[in-house]
Amino acid sequence: AQSVTQLGSHVSVSEGALVLLRCNYSSSVPPYLFWYVQYPNQGLQLLLKYTSAATLVKGINGFEAEFKKSETSFHLTKPSAHMSDAAEYFCAVSDRGTDKLIFGTGTRLQVFP
Amino acid sequence: DGGITQSPKYLFRKEGQNVTLSCEQNLNHDAMYWYRQDPGQGLRLIYYSQIVNDFQKGDIAEGYSVSREKKESFPLTVTSAQKNPTAFYLCASSIREGFGGYTFGSGTRLTVV
Repeated sequence: AQSVTQLGSHVSVSEGALVLLRCNYSSSVPPYLFWYVQYPNQGLQLLLKYTSAATLVKGINGFEAEFKKSETSFHLTKPSAHMSDAAEYFCAVSDRGTDKLIFGTGTRLQVFP
Repeated sequence: DGGITQSPKYLFRKEGQNVTLSCEQNLNHDAMYWYRQDPGQGLRLIYYSQIVNDFQKGDIAEGYSVSREKKESFPLTVTSAQKNPTAFYLCASSIREGFGGYTFGSGTRLTVV
């Protein structure tokens, strides 16, 4: 069965610093991959998705993620953190041909001034 | 604008009561999902439905029930058999073909009093 691992339940950065949130998946076949963001007491919002086109995927709010098959990774990055980026971030994976997503346990990003 | 509406946003339940959480979408999506979110545990799938009048159990279906009588609606009932119902509940939907991820509602926070 597919699974996804997010390394680090909490990440803290200073405003203006690089954001790096890690996600590794388990699959012998490249899956579809997603990053979602959740602000307190709200639903999840899609940041970006990988569906086998370009390996570098650009999303909203300046985030991007790179699909690396050799490392089975899909890490999320942003060159310069903003206070408004403080939220919880979820990586998700789906098997090709299915509708269900498997979510990681989430990474809470804190941004300090 | 199309989207998913969850209601109510906050819900309080006395022990031994059944409560129903509403989820309505106007995106013309075929598939709908219910997730439970607890701190530090990510999202856990309760039930999902890919077509009207059909649904399947997810990973934690015990103590919950659903119906899918209309494409737009997928209500979740938390029964008295659910021993620890206090959580944040998220509804989502997706298209079946050309998988593009889920659209989420804004969630319902259920508290047992």
